[in-house]
Amino acid sequence: NAGVTQTPKFRVLKTGQSMTLLCAQDMNHEYMYWYRQDPGMGLRLIHYSVGEGTTAKGEVPDGYNVSRLKKQNFLLGLESAAPSQTSVYFCASSREVNTEAFFGQGTRLTVV
Amino acid sequence: DQQVKQNSPSLSVQEGRISILNCDYTNSMFDYFLWYKKYPAEGPTFLISISSIKDKNEDGRFTVFLNKSAKHLSLHIVPSQPGDSAVYFCAAIYSRGGGKLIFGQGTELSVKP
Repeated sequence: NAGVTQTPKFRVLKTGQSMTLLCAQDMNHEYMYWYRQDPGMGLRLIHYSVGEGTTAKGEVPDGYNVSRLKKQNFLLGLESAAPSQTSVYFCASSREVNTEAFFGQGTRLTVV
Repeated sequence: DQQVKQNSPSLSVQEGRISILNCDYTNSMFDYFLWYKKYPAEGPTFLISISSIKDKNEDGRFTVFLNKSAKHLSLHIVPSQPGDSAVYFCAAIYSRGGGKLIFGQGTELSVKP
């Protein structure tokens, strides 16, 4: 039982490059979330999805796009990476709105 | 605007004593609250939760208290153990408001032997 799997685990990008982070869950969860963790800022919600084909903005959505074409996958895209997007990114999923969310191991992204 | 706030970045406690981690929130519509624990280089893991219809929930050494009038919740760990040393995040959700799960900044707990 893999739970929530994030790909890749580490990545270094140059300013202006694009990339996609993949989150996959095998628990048939409806809700999925993308967060970024920065020192002193905690976990900030970027985008989230309440079901296949839906997405919504979180607290810090600028510079990111997401897609949920399949229920088990939630993709986070950076179209033109900036140094301010250097962070650790976490994906999470939950079965329903008032249930615990399970997190992936994180992706450490550095933009130079 | 931070809707969930953990004002203490760190806390140090002696092994065997009680650890009390605090969390404040501003949105009175939040109706479900959770605590997560995070070790370095790992994803957060769920610890305990509480619905807004309750004021206390207990699970082993962990107890969460909710004071709705003060918009405050706390996590009590008794007795504290060195393995409890981690960053603790509180989180809140407004279940009828679209499903946003909002986290605080975290408190780093250090339990000294």
